[in-house]
Amino acid sequence: KQEVTQIPAALSVPEGENLVLNCSFTDSAIYNLQWFRQDPGKGLTSLLLIQSSQREQTSGRLNASLDKSSGRSTLYIAASQPGDSATYLCAVSPHNQGGKLIFGQGTELSVKP
Amino acid sequence: EPEVTQTPSHQVTQMGQEVILRCVPISNHLYFYWYRQILGQKVEFLVSFYNNEISEKSEIFDDQFSVERPDGSNFTLKIRSTKLEDSAMYFCASRPGATGSYEQYFGPGTRLTVT
Repeated sequence: KQEVTQIPAALSVPEGENLVLNCSFTDSAIYNLQWFRQDPGKGLTSLLLIQSSQREQTSGRLNASLDKSSGRSTLYIAASQPGDSATYLCAVSPHNQGGKLIFGQGTELSVKP
Repeated sequence: EPEVTQTPSHQVTQMGQEVILRCVPISNHLYFYWYRQILGQKVEFLVSFYNNEISEKSEIFDDQFSVERPDGSNFTLKIRSTKLEDSAMYFCASRPGATGSYEQYFGPGTRLTVT
């Protein structure tokens, strides 16, 4: 059974720091991996999707990497800002048929001015 | 930019009552999903829907749950007889067809409170 784990559970950094959020999954047979942002009491905003054949994806200050064989992904946030404060969720899709997502518990990020 | 919408934003119901949560997916998307998130817990998959039928469902999605796409735009989740443990945030999501991106787009959620 696929399990997704995110470390750390919470992270507090000063504004301007570069930071890395970690995601691991137990079964390397994934079709893709998606990173989301969730603000308190709100829905999920998709940040990046990495297909299983890809090693990384970039969007602005965000860079996500994928090492499928070791069951790991990282989300790198450059030059963090207070507006980046949110919970970041990692989710994997075990297969392309249907494409359900299995989520980690998230990393709660706080960026202090 | 197209987005997934959900109504109502908050639903309060008494135990044993039926509720219908409504979603309008992005118009050209073909795959539809329901997830739920109990307060403080992980987001959990409930069901996926494609070509007017359920393609996959989780253990949570028992006989008390059903989904329907009654017309070309709406996608609904019905809980027949709600229980206290059904209290959660329910998210609808959609994605394009097989030739498009596999990226799932989520709605803002419906907070269901069962009393």
